[in-house]
Amino acid sequence: DAGVTQSPTHLIKTRGQQVTLRCSPKSGHDTVSWYQQALGQGPQFIFQYYEEEERQRGNFPDRFSGHQFPNYSSELNVNALLLGDSALYLCASSRPGSKGETQYFGPGTRLLVL
Amino acid sequence: QKEVEQNSGPLSVPEGAIASLNCTYSDRGSQSFFWYRQYSGKSPELIMFIYSNGDKEDGRFTAQLNKASQYVSLLIRDSQPSDSATYLCAVGGSNYKLTFGKGTLLTVNP
Repeated sequence: DAGVTQSPTHLIKTRGQQVTLRCSPKSGHDTVSWYQQALGQGPQFIFQYYEEEERQRGNFPDRFSGHQFPNYSSELNVNALLLGDSALYLCASSRPGSKGETQYFGPGTRLLVL
Repeated sequence: QKEVEQNSGPLSVPEGAIASLNCTYSDRGSQSFFWYRQYSGKSPELIMFIYSNGDKEDGRFTAQLNKASQYVSLLIRDSQPSDSATYLCAVGGSNYKLTFGKGTLLTVNP
């Protein structure tokens, strides 16, 4: 049973550039959430995708956008990168259902912005 | 007001002792409560979830939930050096996101 996968594992970008991160959910899951985890902090919710639509969004600027494909995989795009965007980006998948469904995390993508 | 707060660490316990990790939350509409373990440089790994008041046991781990007090805890019995990690409390249910605390770093000394 394949777990949540993410790519790439590490990424180095410079300020102002754009980045795309990818996620494939756990088998049987069709809901994908993205989180940003800065060093020493807990993960912060960016947004959640379900049925190819953004279902909920956290307190992140419009520079952060996403997409979900028919096969449930998802992308996170960040435009006009800032130094403060350096973090571990986590994708979590869950089954459809009620709010508060258990979410399982992928290995993450570590982004460094120089 | 912080939405999810965890007891400040780091927490250090000797091998074989009981480690107690605590968490409070502010949203009374919360329905689900999770404990994740995160090793340094790795992603969070789910270890326990609890939905109802009371205790839930899984091996050496026991989660305790008190919705009236808006309090959830994790007990680790017979702590092992391999339990050394950051433990994240997460709360969900009034919306689709999980809200995390900052985490408590646990060190189990051999």
